[in-house]
Amino acid sequence: TQLLEQSPQFLSIQEGENLTVYCNSSSVFSSLQWYRQEPGEGPVLLVTVVTGGEVKKLKRLTFQFGDARKDSSLHITAAQTGDTGLYLCAGPLGSGSRLTFGEGTQLTVNP
Amino acid sequence: EAEVAQSPRYKITEKSQAVAFWCDPISGHATLYWYRQILGQGPELLVQFQDESVVDDSQLPKDRFSAERLKGVDSTLKIQPAELGDSAMYLCASSSQPGMTYEQYFGPGTRLTVT
Repeated sequence: TQLLEQSPQFLSIQEGENLTVYCNSSSVFSSLQWYRQEPGEGPVLLVTVVTGGEVKKLKRLTFQFGDARKDSSLHITAAQTGDTGLYLCAGPLGSGSRLTFGEGTQLTVNP
Repeated sequence: EAEVAQSPRYKITEKSQAVAFWCDPISGHATLYWYRQILGQGPELLVQFQDESVVDDSQLPKDRFSAERLKGVDSTLKIQPAELGDSAMYLCASSSQPGMTYEQYFGPGTRLTVT
C-alpha cells in the first residue's frame, strides 16, 4: 500500500492547456515536497510546503498543501513541452529524515 | 551550482557478477541516501548515512547489497552477486541536515541493466 497516492498516473495534454495533479494520503505530514524527473536523470526538487493551507508559486506552477496536511496539489498553467516529466511528491516518514515517495504522475505535453 | 555526482551513468552486467556505484554528495552535506527506482515507480530508500554512520538500512537486501561511506564524504554501493531483478536506476541524494523540511538533492543516477 502506497502511503502517498498520486493521480492521475499518466496525463497527456496539448501545449497551452492547464492541468492539476494530486498527491493524497491518509496520514499527516510535517512537510511535502514536489520533484520533477526527466528520463534518465535524477529527481529535481521544485518546492517544499510546510504549513497547512500554504500556497507556493514557481512561475507557471502553483503548489498547495491541504489544510490538514494530508494532501497536496500541483497546478500548471499554460503547459509547455518543457514541462514534460515525472512529477513526484514525497514526505518524511515518522521522526526521521527518511522520505517516502509517491509513484508519480507522468506528464506529457504535446506541441 | 553544487551537484551530487554519480558514476557510472550506465552499467550493464551479467547476473552473478559484482557491480559497484559511486556517489560524491554536495560538499558539506552530512546526510547521504541511496535509492533504487524501478521504471514507472517512485524512488525507494535503500540506505541512509549520517556522516560515516548508517542510520537506516532497513530496506537494504543485506545478503547481496553493501554500502559504505568510510570518511563521511563519498560513498560506494555494491551488489554481489547481481540478479536480474536488480535492474533499476540507482540514485544518490544528499542533504545538509535532516531538519524539518527534509529537502534532498539527487544525482543523475546510475542505470543498471542485469542480463
